[in-house]
Amino acid sequence: DAGVTQSPTHLIKTRGQQVTLRCSPKSGHDTVSWYQQALGQGPQFIFQYYEEEERQRGNFPDRFSGHQFPNYSSELNVNALLLGDSALYLCASSSNRGVLNQPQHFGDGTRLSIL
Amino acid sequence: QQQVKQSPQSLIVQKGGISIINCAYENTAFDYFPWYQQFPGKGPALLIAIRPDVSEKKEGRFTISFNKSAKQFSLHIMDSQPGDSATYFCAASRRGGATNKLIFGTGTLLAVQP
Repeated sequence: DAGVTQSPTHLIKTRGQQVTLRCSPKSGHDTVSWYQQALGQGPQFIFQYYEEEERQRGNFPDRFSGHQFPNYSSELNVNALLLGDSALYLCASSSNRGVLNQPQHFGDGTRLSIL
Repeated sequence: QQQVKQSPQSLIVQKGGISIINCAYENTAFDYFPWYQQFPGKGPALLIAIRPDVSEKKEGRFTISFNKSAKQFSLHIMDSQPGDSATYFCAASRRGGATNKLIFGTGTLLAVQP
């Protein structure tokens, strides 16, 4: 049973560029959340997708956007990259079919470095 | 009110000892409290979780103690092993919210010495 998979594992970009990160949820899961984890910090909630719609958003600018596909996979897009966007980006999936607070399972993340 | 405060920042324990990590929260609407374990280069892995209707939950060597009146909860690792060396995060979320988004603590780096 495959867990949450993320790609790519590492990425190097320069300021001003745009990036797309991808996530495939754990089998049977329909909800995907994205988190940003700066070095030495806890993960910070970016947004969550369910039924192909953004359900809630954390305190992140509009440069951060996402998408969920019919097969429940998801993309995180970040435009106009800043040095401060350097972080580990984590995807978490859960099964929320009518029941909230189901456990979230994380992938191993994409390490994004901005030069 | 959305914060979860975690302590200590780092912890060194001898093999076989008890590791204790503490967390405190302000938002009384939180009703789900998981602990995650993270190894370098990996994502957080769910370790154990508790809801506020119980005061303690035990799974193997890992125990969560929950004090609803004090708005505090803690993770106890019994018989700590070198393989337990990792960063531990407490988190909280609330059932009534639009999502099950997790609010994380700042993490505790645990080192278990052989």
